Amino acid sequence: GAVVSQHPSWVICKSGTSVKIECRSLDFQATTMFWYRQFPKQSLMLMATSNEGSKATYEQGVEKDKFLINHASLTLSTLTVTSAHPEDSSFYICSARDGLVDIAGFGPGTRLTVT
Amino acid sequence: AQSVTQPDIHITVSEGASLELRCNYSYGATPYLFWYVQSPGQGLQLLLKYFSGDTLVQGIKGFEAEFKRSQSSFNLRKPSVHWSDAAEYFCAVKYGNEKLTFGTGTRLTIIP
Repeated sequence: GAVVSQHPSWVICKSGTSVKIECRSLDFQATTMFWYRQFPKQSLMLMATSNEGSKATYEQGVEKDKFLINHASLTLSTLTVTSAHPEDSSFYICSARDGLVDIAGFGPGTRLTVT
Repeated sequence: AQSVTQPDIHITVSEGASLELRCNYSYGATPYLFWYVQSPGQGLQLLLKYFSGDTLVQGIKGFEAEFKRSQSSFNLRKPSVHWSDAAEYFCAVKYGNEKLTFGTGTRLTIIP
């Protein structure tokens, strides 16, 4: 139980283009999903929290117009990196929660490389 | 603001030896405490968690952790490590409905 998937697992895109990353809860309904960013050899930094059917809440310093988050259903959230630049290259991980306290699971991550 | 400290950036142990990874948290109240493991290029896997009750928590893969309120610690232990335990380990804390905050991680290397 509590399986979270991400797609794609890795993506390479050209600078200036946009890329979409999907996060799915496979065996439960995720009322809340979280998006993290992880730089090499560093910890996870929370970017935003999304609740199904409402606007995402972004952490301080995260550009909401650059990192568009859509949580359209109880099983799917998407992160779109708009007008990507090389500094956006990172490992992006989503997490999904089905309760008030318990963190249900983490996705396997998406490696984004912007050339 | 809540914070969590993992004092050891990198630990090397011999296969079969015991392991203890340290984790300390700040902020007054008792938080919800977690340990996660991350293999290279992979997401995070929950090893164990503490919410309340018995302060010694058993997790998967033979790991356990002990919550010590007096020391604000939640150290992860394993009596005998295997080569497959080599990974990055993250301690995380959460207070109520606040966000999950991760430590900086401890990289575990296993030598034969």
